[in-house]
Amino acid sequence: IVLTQSPDSLAVSLGERATINCKSSQSVLYSSNNKNYLAWYQQKPGQTPRLLMYWASTRESGVPDRFSGSGSATDFTLTISSLQAEDVAVYYCQQYYDSTWAFGQGTKVEIK
Amino acid sequence: EVHLVESGGGVVQPGGSLRLSCAASGFTFSNYWMHWVRQAPGKGLVWVSRIKSDGSSTSYADFVKGRFTISRDNAKNTLYLQMNSLRGEDTAVYYCVSASYHADYWGQGTLVTVSS
Repeated sequence: IVLTQSPDSLAVSLGERATINCKSSQSVLYSSNNKNYLAWYQQKPGQTPRLLMYWASTRESGVPDRFSGSGSATDFTLTISSLQAEDVAVYYCQQYYDSTWAFGQGTKVEIK
Repeated sequence: EVHLVESGGGVVQPGGSLRLSCAASGFTFSNYWMHWVRQAPGKGLVWVSRIKSDGSSTSYADFVKGRFTISRDNAKNTLYLQMNSLRGEDTAVYYCVSASYHADYWGQGTLVTVSS
């Protein structure tokens, strides 16, 4: 499975919406439980990745509610509803449908 | 509190070998599948290998198949990655990752530099 994120980078004004897309080369929706095996991570410079979302739309504990995930099967979106300065980072989608994981190439989010 | 502490990184010549270790604590190591994920300087996250909780099954990315071997010792709560025939493109920070389904916890990583 190959994950392709778009855009590679984006610059958004503080308080504005940021949207990151992730397209999978095949469905990551497991029909037996109707779950999408897709996660989103945030990585700030010099830090390890932080889990933001799993099952495509479930927010990890402690993650601000300005972060949301949506989509199903092959097309997914991570939305930051009101960008804050601390959200500057690289964001990755990841599939765990296949036990051989794959990550998207990353999307760098900056302040305009 | 969960801790994953990698060790064994360093500078090695092309064609050389290294063995990475990851010491786990704060959770029941033997219940979790474990993965290695790497990140070349300034680049993205790349999955390398995984091992089932009991060690009975392993998988590798194509670019390390036949060169790297993942293993674990559940009695010692330790994950390993034996890396042979190292190449310049293997230069990266190597992260040890525990997983239920998605990645649950990440170690801080250990830097492997392949250079003459």
